[in-house]
Amino acid sequence: GENVEQHPSTLSVQEGDSAVIKCTYSDSASNYFPWYKQELGKRPQLIIDIRSNVGEKKDQRIAVTLNKTAKHFSLHITETQPEDSAVYFCAARLFTGGGNKLTFGTGTQLKVEL
Amino acid sequence: KAGVTQTPRYLIKTRGQQVTLSCSPISGHRSVSWYQQTPGQGLQFLFEYFSETQRNKGNFPGRFSGRQFSNSRSEMNVSTLELGDSALYLCASSFPGTGERTEAFFGQGTRLTVV
Repeated sequence: GENVEQHPSTLSVQEGDSAVIKCTYSDSASNYFPWYKQELGKRPQLIIDIRSNVGEKKDQRIAVTLNKTAKHFSLHITETQPEDSAVYFCAARLFTGGGNKLTFGTGTQLKVEL
Repeated sequence: KAGVTQTPRYLIKTRGQQVTLSCSPISGHRSVSWYQQTPGQGLQFLFEYFSETQRNKGNFPGRFSGRQFSNSRSEMNVSTLELGDSALYLCASSFPGTGERTEAFFGQGTRLTVV
């Protein structure tokens, strides 16, 4: 089955700096890669996603890049703000006959310091 | 549009008991997936239901089961509870359920504590 590794497990940056979180996946057939943000005590919220036929996607301060050859994808947050502090999860989905199983990375605790 | 609703929000159960959790998906969503979230294991996939049929299953023991009703609402049942079952149980719904793109939206979860 699919396996997703995520690094780093914790990340501390100064407000205004950039943050990068990296994930690798094992199954080359995976075709959909979402990123979720989970604040303490709240549900995971989808913040950006990318499909396997796209190399990069950007939404304001957030961008995701995908390297299918190397089987890794990354989340980039620019001009970080205190409200960006949360746990971020990457995930990969293997499309098998419409199946909707997401395999998650272990999460990155991002702390944006003033 | 209402989001994914899970009930109850909190549960405390004793070892050996069973528990049923409920998930109402976003209107029009037909796929419902369940995940177990623990500090040590992260988000682990339990199973997915689509059109009242289990379409995918994770690596959990048979004590974990589920079902989906014709209105797409789903229930998850855990029998013979163990201390290790203490976790946040999240469900996620998706539309249209088939196809290449399926954004999953999560409910707020049910916090289960087994004592």
